[in-house]
Amino acid sequence: DQQVKQNSPSLSVQEGRISILNCDYTNSMFDYFLWYKKYPAEGPTFLISISSIKDKNEDGRFTVFLNKSAKHLSLHIVPSQPGDSAVYFCAAVPPKLIFGTGTRLQVFP
Amino acid sequence: KAGVTQTPRYLIKTRGQQVTLSCSPISGHRSVSWYQQTPGQGLQFLFEYFSETQRNKGNFPGRFSGRQFSNSRSEMNVSTLELGDSALYLCASTRWWQGEADTQYFGPGTRLTVL
Repeated sequence: DQQVKQNSPSLSVQEGRISILNCDYTNSMFDYFLWYKKYPAEGPTFLISISSIKDKNEDGRFTVFLNKSAKHLSLHIVPSQPGDSAVYFCAAVPPKLIFGTGTRLQVFP
Repeated sequence: KAGVTQTPRYLIKTRGQQVTLSCSPISGHRSVSWYQQTPGQGLQFLFEYFSETQRNKGNFPGRFSGRQFSNSRSEMNVSTLELGDSALYLCASTRWWQGEADTQYFGPGTRLTVL
C-alpha cells in the first residue's frame, strides 16, 4: 500500500518554464514533508521541506505547496534549468521517511 | 563538514552469499537510516538506528539486519543473497532520532549486484 504517491513517473519541461511535480499522500496524520533530488549513482539530496503549519515554503527557485485537505503537495521550480534534470522524490516523515516512487524531470533547452 | 560516507561503493556477490555494507554518518549525527532503491520499487525504508538501538524497521525479511556502533557508524548485513537483492543501498543520517522530523542527509550509496 503506497502511502505516498507520485503519479507522474516523468515530466519534460523547456528551460526557463515552470516545472510542477506533484505528490499525494493517504495518511492525514502526516504533517511534515521533504523533497529530495537524485542524480544517477548518487544519494538523494535534500531540497526543501514543509510542515503542516504552513501551506507554502520557498527557497530560491523552489517552492513547495501543501494542501492538507486534499492530502496533496507540489514542488514548483521556476525557472527550470537543464541542471534540474534529475529524479525528484517527495517523502513524508513521521516517524520514518516514506518515499514516493519519484518523478524523472527532464529540462530541455 | 564531511558528508555521509558509504563503503564499498560497488559490490558484486553471488546468490547465497552474505554481504556487509558500512555507513559513516555526518559528524555529530546520531541517527542512521538505511534504504533500498530499486527501479521498480523506488526508495524503501529498511531500518533506523539511534544510539545503537533500532528505532524503526521496514517490511523486509529477517535476512536484512543492521547495527550501530557507539561512534554512530552503522553496518547493514544481508544474508543468503537473492537476485532480487540487487539494488542501490542508501544510508542517511540525522542529528536526532527521526521522531524529531529532522532532515536526512544521504550518502552516495552502495550498488550491490547479485549474480
